[in-house]
Amino acid sequence: AQSVTQLDSQVPVFEEAPVELRCNYSSSVSVYLFWYVQYPNQGLQLLLKYLSGSTLVKGINGFEAEFNKSQTSFHLRKPSVHISDTAEYFCAVSEPGGSYIPTFGRGTSLIVHP
Amino acid sequence: DGGITQSPKYLFRKEGQNVTLSCEQNLNHDAMYWYRQDPGQGLRLIYYSQIVNDFQKGDIAEGYSVSREKKESFPLTVTSAQKNPTAFYLCASSIGLVNEQFFGPGTRLTVL
Repeated sequence: AQSVTQLDSQVPVFEEAPVELRCNYSSSVSVYLFWYVQYPNQGLQLLLKYLSGSTLVKGINGFEAEFNKSQTSFHLRKPSVHISDTAEYFCAVSEPGGSYIPTFGRGTSLIVHP
Repeated sequence: DGGITQSPKYLFRKEGQNVTLSCEQNLNHDAMYWYRQDPGQGLRLIYYSQIVNDFQKGDIAEGYSVSREKKESFPLTVTSAQKNPTAFYLCASSIGLVNEQFFGPGTRLTVL
């Protein structure tokens, strides 16, 4: 079965600075990868997903992520953050063709300071 | 508009009472899920269902029950056996088990 590690529980950053949220996964087969965002007291919303093809995936709100198979990583990046990006971010992995539901990481809290 | 609805947004109950949280989707998804979220704990899976009339326990099913009598609906009952029920509950659905999940807005349950 797959597993996900989000290395940082909290990432503080100043407005307009770049940010990277790290995600590493463990799986012996091909994977689907997802990043979700959760604003306070709301449900999760899909930011972007990798299913196959290009390893650089662009999502909503100016976010992008790069799938690195050799390093089993799927880090999320944004070149310039806004105050409104303050939220919890979750990485998830699933195995196509498998019978396991996606496994979520514990989340990274992105805190954008003015 | 297609989506998932959860009701109510906030729910208060006295200790010892059972309570049922509603989850409805009109996305025609086969799979549905219930998660519990506590501060700093991420998402913990309670139950999931791949098809109507079938459901599986997740990591923390004790003290909870579900039913899946209709494709659109997956209600969660928090029973009096759940020792610490105060939490934020999220319902989700997906086309299949491995696909992206669509989440509802959540229900915050407070047991007094």
